[in-house]
Amino acid sequence: DQQVKQNSPSLSVQEGRISILNCDYTNSMFDYFLWYKKYPAEGPTFLISISSIKDKNEDGRFTVFLNKSAKHLSLHIVPSQPGDSAVYFCAASGGADGLTFGKGTHLIIQP
Amino acid sequence: ETGVTQSPTHLIKTRGQQVTLRCSSQSGHNTVSWYQQALGQGPQFIFQYYREEENGRGNFPPRFSGLQFPNYSSELNVNALELDDSALYLCASSPPMGMNTEAFFGQGTRLTVV
Repeated sequence: DQQVKQNSPSLSVQEGRISILNCDYTNSMFDYFLWYKKYPAEGPTFLISISSIKDKNEDGRFTVFLNKSAKHLSLHIVPSQPGDSAVYFCAASGGADGLTFGKGTHLIIQP
Repeated sequence: ETGVTQSPTHLIKTRGQQVTLRCSSQSGHNTVSWYQQALGQGPQFIFQYYREEENGRGNFPPRFSGLQFPNYSSELNVNALELDDSALYLCASSPPMGMNTEAFFGQGTRLTVV
């Protein structure tokens, strides 16, 4: 039973364009959502988060949108840069049971 | 400020053996969590320690156990290793409980069981 789903295993975007990564969740108890970026042979690096009381959070080139009624969130990266090529994980939190992660989306930025 | 560090970085063990993985949390963080990341999957929550006590556990059998020490560093112990235990084991630390905040991850320990 996958509570956090990232349905796109990979995404290819041209440098300078917008990258949009999507994430769906099923557990209504989740109240905090995070995006992590992971390079090979490294641990996940925190990117941006959003609380369930908000619908948007912005940090530089990264914006996360939350649609609670649809149980959907998305990460927008504008403009996309070659260094953004990595695996992106969506994660959710709802208490003391740690973070629940999706399977990840491999973002490839093409020159 | 030092980040989360894990040791060793790589490890090969034989089925049936026991293994101990270590983690030093980020300065000021008193909560440590462990995750297992199998190939092609997202990290899966194993358990969390706060003030030296287990506080939250995922769907892992009792042969996965842990410790947290007074300096907030932590160990993950796995007994009776199985081939399916081969994975990247990630440690994460976070600020005091009760706050919705990000967890900071170490680089992981790659465990291979043969």
